[in-house]
Amino acid sequence: ELKVEQNPLFLSMQEGKNYTIYCNYSTTSDRLYWYRQDPGKSLESLFVLLSNGAVKQEGRLMASLDTKARLSTLHITAAVHDLSATYFCAVASGNNNDMRFGAGTRLTVKP
Amino acid sequence: KAGVTQTPRYLIKTRGQQVTLSCSPISGHRSVSWYQQTPGQGLQFLFEYFSETQRNKGNFPGRFSGRQFSNSRSEMNVSTLELGDSALYLCASSLPGHNTEAFFGQGTRLTVV
Repeated sequence: ELKVEQNPLFLSMQEGKNYTIYCNYSTTSDRLYWYRQDPGKSLESLFVLLSNGAVKQEGRLMASLDTKARLSTLHITAAVHDLSATYFCAVASGNNNDMRFGAGTRLTVKP
Repeated sequence: KAGVTQTPRYLIKTRGQQVTLSCSPISGHRSVSWYQQTPGQGLQFLFEYFSETQRNKGNFPGRFSGRQFSNSRSEMNVSTLELGDSALYLCASSLPGHNTEAFFGQGTRLTVV
């Protein structure tokens, strides 16, 4: 059974600092997603990573994928308060859109 | 371009009742997936529909069912509601094919009392 593990589950950081969220998955998957969720809201798509070595960046967020290690990272650069949210990674395979999610990382950025 | 639309946004039901939730995907998206989100279990996959056929199903009891119509709109139904069914139900739509991005609706918040 595919398992997706994120760490840390909770992250409190100061504005201006850098940090990385890790996402490990247990079996081969074709693609990995990162989503953001604000309290009481739906999921906002951040990145879709499709191949080994893929790297994508948007603003202060950069995601990478190592399919051999079954590991994806979401790196936060110079955090700002607006990045406070819960971040989820999810994996899927084949033509199915059956995504298996990690537990989420609740990020709080403090002034 | 309109996003994924879920109705209703909020719902309160009594134990034992049944409920139907609706999801209208982005125009042109033929794949619709449903997820349940709870504080204890996180985000769990319910089922996926593509071209009116259930393509995959998660580990949920038979009380949870769904369908997809020819216009790709999807409904999910939960019968004999239990308190533990209280959750945020999210649907996601995507274009056909491999390696496509999935977009989520705002969700339906179901409370069972």
